[in-house]
Amino acid sequence: SAVISQKPSRDICQRGTSLTIQCQVDSQVTMMFWYRQQPGQSLTLIATANQGSEATYESGFVIDKFPISRPNLTFSTLTVSNMSPEDSSIYLCSVEWTEGVTEAFFGQGTRLTVV
Amino acid sequence: AQSVAQPEDQVNVAEGNPLTVKCTYSVSGNPYLFWYVQYPNRGLQFLLKYITGDNLVKGSYGFEAEFNKSQTSFHLKKPSALVSDSALYFCAVRDSHQYGQNFVFGPGTRLSVLP
Repeated sequence: SAVISQKPSRDICQRGTSLTIQCQVDSQVTMMFWYRQQPGQSLTLIATANQGSEATYESGFVIDKFPISRPNLTFSTLTVSNMSPEDSSIYLCSVEWTEGVTEAFFGQGTRLTVV
Repeated sequence: AQSVAQPEDQVNVAEGNPLTVKCTYSVSGNPYLFWYVQYPNRGLQFLLKYITGDNLVKGSYGFEAEFNKSQTSFHLKKPSALVSDSALYFCAVRDSHQYGQNFVFGPGTRLSVLP
């Protein structure tokens, strides 16, 4: 495994603003992903962060709301745009070293509260 | 489509007693099964996985899980619970025939170990 760092760990934001969350891994990884965990809920995959190309979004998530970047094999960002209180969640970065038969490893999460 | 059920929202057990956290799953292909634990204000930590082979798998912190194909279950167990085991536990499944981050997470079970 490796160290997966997410920043910020938590934030309180005003509605209508945007927040960018960073995910940094201390080694190169094949795949990076972003999840949302709404209060009291399980994890929902937002998108796959593709290096050098547009992210692949899951049903119900769109690029305008959740723009994602992945400039290299160790770093990705997720932006939550034009926030509303419904965006209050924990956002988690996840990585895999090899596509397919491995467990995923997660960052510590970013707890976002929108007021 | 894949699905995971964790029939108990909450499990309470006395310290020193054995614990079981239940998980049942549904996939079209062969299942890859995982358990993760989430402590307060933390990301998900990988506990153990079943890919193939022995139905009883051992993981971190003394946890183990038994894969039962006929009952489509993957219950998490520990012979002697510790207060520090109190956390939120997620079962997850992915279909061996699919690539990409196709995890499906269960709703989670909150384990409380009482001193």
